[in-house]
Amino acid sequence: DAGVTQSPTHLIKTRGQQVTLRCSPKSGHDTVSWYQQALGQGPQFIFQYYEEEERQRGNFPDRFSGHQFPNYSSELNVNALLLGDSALYLCASSLRPGPSYEQYFGPGTRLTVT
Amino acid sequence: GNSVTQMEGPVTLSEEAFLTINCTYTATGYPSLFWYVQYPGEGLQLLLKATKADDKGSNKGFEATYRKETTSFHLEKGSVQVSDSAVYFCALSAIANAGGTSYGKLTFGQGTILTVHP
Repeated sequence: DAGVTQSPTHLIKTRGQQVTLRCSPKSGHDTVSWYQQALGQGPQFIFQYYEEEERQRGNFPDRFSGHQFPNYSSELNVNALLLGDSALYLCASSLRPGPSYEQYFGPGTRLTVT
Repeated sequence: GNSVTQMEGPVTLSEEAFLTINCTYTATGYPSLFWYVQYPGEGLQLLLKATKADDKGSNKGFEATYRKETTSFHLEKGSVQVSDSAVYFCALSAIANAGGTSYGKLTFGQGTILTVHP
């Protein structure tokens, strides 16, 4: 049973560019959440997708957007990249969106903005 | 808003020592509580969870009890191994309701680095 997969593993972009990160959830999971983890910090919640709609959003600007596809996979898009967007981006999936459901994390995408 | 506070790290122990990592939280309602572990260069792995007061989560020798009266969820292990060296994150997931469906998002502490020496 494949777990949560993310692509690419690493990415280097220049300030002002745009980036798309991809996530495939664990088999049977329909809810996908995205987190940003700066070096030495705990992950910060970006947003959550369920039934192809954004259901919750953390304190991130509109430059961060996402999408969920009918097969439950998801994309995270970041426009107008800033140096401060350099971080590990983690995708997590769960069986359902409720708070008691465990979230399973992928290995992450390391984004470096130069 | 919701928040999680973990004890200051890093924590350095000898193999077979007793481990405690303190975690306290602030949340409205009755959150679910989790401990995640992150090994170098990897994503987060769920270690254990508890969904209501007085529940005890346990896995791989680690334990944590949901204490509502002290708003705490301290992680313990009786005898640590070198392979337990990692970063440990305490997290809560609180309810947000919309359109009759409950949603949970994880709020993490800052993490505690654990190093175990042979």
